[in-house]
Amino acid sequence: GNSVTQMEGPVTLSEEAFLTINCTYTATGYPSLFWYVQYPGEGLQLLLKATKADDKGSNKGFEATYRKETTSFHLEKGSVQVSDSAVYFCALSEGYGGSQGNLIFGKGTKLSVKP
Amino acid sequence: EAQVTQNPRYLITVTGKKLTVTCSQNMNHEYMSWYRQDPGLGLRQIYYSMNVEVTDKGDVPEGYKVSRKEKRNFPLILESPSPNQTSLYFCASSSNRRPNYGYTFGSGTRLTVV
Repeated sequence: GNSVTQMEGPVTLSEEAFLTINCTYTATGYPSLFWYVQYPGEGLQLLLKATKADDKGSNKGFEATYRKETTSFHLEKGSVQVSDSAVYFCALSEGYGGSQGNLIFGKGTKLSVKP
Repeated sequence: EAQVTQNPRYLITVTGKKLTVTCSQNMNHEYMSWYRQDPGLGLRQIYYSMNVEVTDKGDVPEGYKVSRKEKRNFPLILESPSPNQTSLYFCASSSNRRPNYGYTFGSGTRLTVV
């Protein structure tokens, strides 16, 4: 079945460092891809998304590009801040023909940013 | 306000006492789903529903039941809760007719079974 694999955490960085969190997927068809973020003690928030190959999602300085040839959707940010400390989840939706489909998550990567 | 509402937010119960966690959305979404979140295991899907009267098992359905009798509600039922069901639970919904709108999540239900 479809699945999402993301890099194990935790990831600890200094403020202003470059961030990459790797995410690869296995899916039939043409899934949409997402990054969700969970701040301490809170629920899930959509960070960014991409719905087709070569699309780039971006938000709050974070970016991820839908790479069909490598089945990847790596999350990047050029300069992290302490406020970016959170758990990041990669996810895919098994959509076909424009429908959303079922939503499947990776295990999450905890990011800690030190001042 | 468009939202997914879960109740209760916090619940402590005893082993074997049946309970229901409610999930309701006011966006006329077709798709709804339940997840549990555990340290080191991330978000695992319990059950999902693509529309009214259509439900399917996720990765960890054992010990849970769901029903989808009407579009807005998708309750999660634990017939005989056990301590290994202590977890943080999230409900989510989405519209099949607006695929780029994304998924909306509830605020979570923290369940403790003693």
